[in-house]
Amino acid sequence: GAGVSQSPSNKVTEKGKDVELRCDPISGHTALYWYRQSLGQGLEFLIYFQGNSAPDKSGLPSDRFSAERTGGSVSTLTIQRTQQEDSAVYLCASSLEGQSNEQFFGPGTRLTVL
Amino acid sequence: AQKVTQAQTEISVVEKEDVTLDCVYETRDTTYYLFWYKQPPSGELVFLIRRNSFDEQNEISGRYSWNFQKSTSSFNFTITASQVVDSAVYFCALSESWGGANSKLTFGKGITLSVRP
Repeated sequence: GAGVSQSPSNKVTEKGKDVELRCDPISGHTALYWYRQSLGQGLEFLIYFQGNSAPDKSGLPSDRFSAERTGGSVSTLTIQRTQQEDSAVYLCASSLEGQSNEQFFGPGTRLTVL
Repeated sequence: AQKVTQAQTEISVVEKEDVTLDCVYETRDTTYYLFWYKQPPSGELVFLIRRNSFDEQNEISGRYSWNFQKSTSSFNFTITASQVVDSAVYFCALSESWGGANSKLTFGKGITLSVRP
């Protein structure tokens, strides 16, 4: 079956521009996570969605970052007024909560801010 | 707060050697979950194994084996008879819940394993 998909795979943007990153989780998976992978910080949690519950935004690094999940499926991570330190690979994962919490990861979006 | 430490950063071995990747974790919870993920050069994180804190039975799966020791807060991973295809970055991770907000993963920095032919 289809895994987690993310788009775009690569995004190059200029400092100060807004970007949107998309994640399509595995069908039926109720939990969705965003992580960021950068050279300096490693793999960091950003935000978590579960069903209709309020998201856990505790990992978002600044108020320039936001995310939404529409209809309990697709999620969009938005970064406003991008900075060079936002350059990283943004990974999305989904899981069928209550079933081992095995998180399935997408291929990531590589964001480069010039 | 939880923390995962992978003290080794890079390991290089010759094919067919055995290699052990170390992982030490910190958590205040009595129930928690430990994971190993593999990230090959293609970039996608691949789940390898999960252990629950209440299950210290060690496991062998083919060339892979895991050694979970609560007494030393360690969850080490061994590849026997390594192969070139094992070359990847290996991450150890911890979550404090089966579900809910604490199900998020805390990762170590990763270990880059290079297996030379």
